[in-house]
Amino acid sequence: NAGVTQTPKFRILKIGQSMTLQCTQDMNHNYMYWYRQDPGMGLKLIYYSVGAGITDKGEVPNGYNVSRSTTEDFPLRLELAAPSQTSVYFCASRGNEKLFFGSGTQLSVL
Amino acid sequence: ELKVEQNPLFLSMQEGKNYTIYCNYSTTSDRLYWYRQDPGKSLESLFVLLSNGAVKQEGRLMASLDTKARLSTLHITAAVHDLSATYFCCGAGSYQLTFGKGTKLSVIP
Repeated sequence: NAGVTQTPKFRILKIGQSMTLQCTQDMNHNYMYWYRQDPGMGLKLIYYSVGAGITDKGEVPNGYNVSRSTTEDFPLRLELAAPSQTSVYFCASRGNEKLFFGSGTQLSVL
Repeated sequence: ELKVEQNPLFLSMQEGKNYTIYCNYSTTSDRLYWYRQDPGKSLESLFVLLSNGAVKQEGRLMASLDTKARLSTLHITAAVHDLSATYFCCGAGSYQLTFGKGTKLSVIP
């Protein structure tokens, strides 16, 4: 099993550009999450999903969108990137009483 | 809305000493997770605590859960340098998972 796979690992965007962070899990988990972690800080929930076709906002959803067309995939879209979105993004899935994290995407918006 | 508070946020301790990190949460949480994060890395699962009175131990780390007090603790016994990292607790609400701000632990020789 690959677990939770995030791509890309690093990305630099210009202000106003858009991009999609990919997240895939092969554990057939219904629950998936997107978090952002600013330097020296904890994790803040952006969006979460409880199954295919069902998503909901977390603590800091502004500037982001998600979709969940399949159980495996939970992409995070940034529209009109802003410097405030410079952060490390983690995708996670939850199942079997455990929470599994991807390796993270380090995003810089300049 | 579930809120999770950790303390201390920073902890510098000598090798061989014992210490406890505290994690308080505001409303019912049906489970409590502890994670470790090394600089520039993802989060590594340490413990999942599922019920009141649950205690789990792995090496020099022991975690416990008191659901009545809404408190979880992570106890470090005879700290070694390899334990230097940031430790997060995470509470589970209805669907969401809420993390504390983390405790940055530095173990000094």
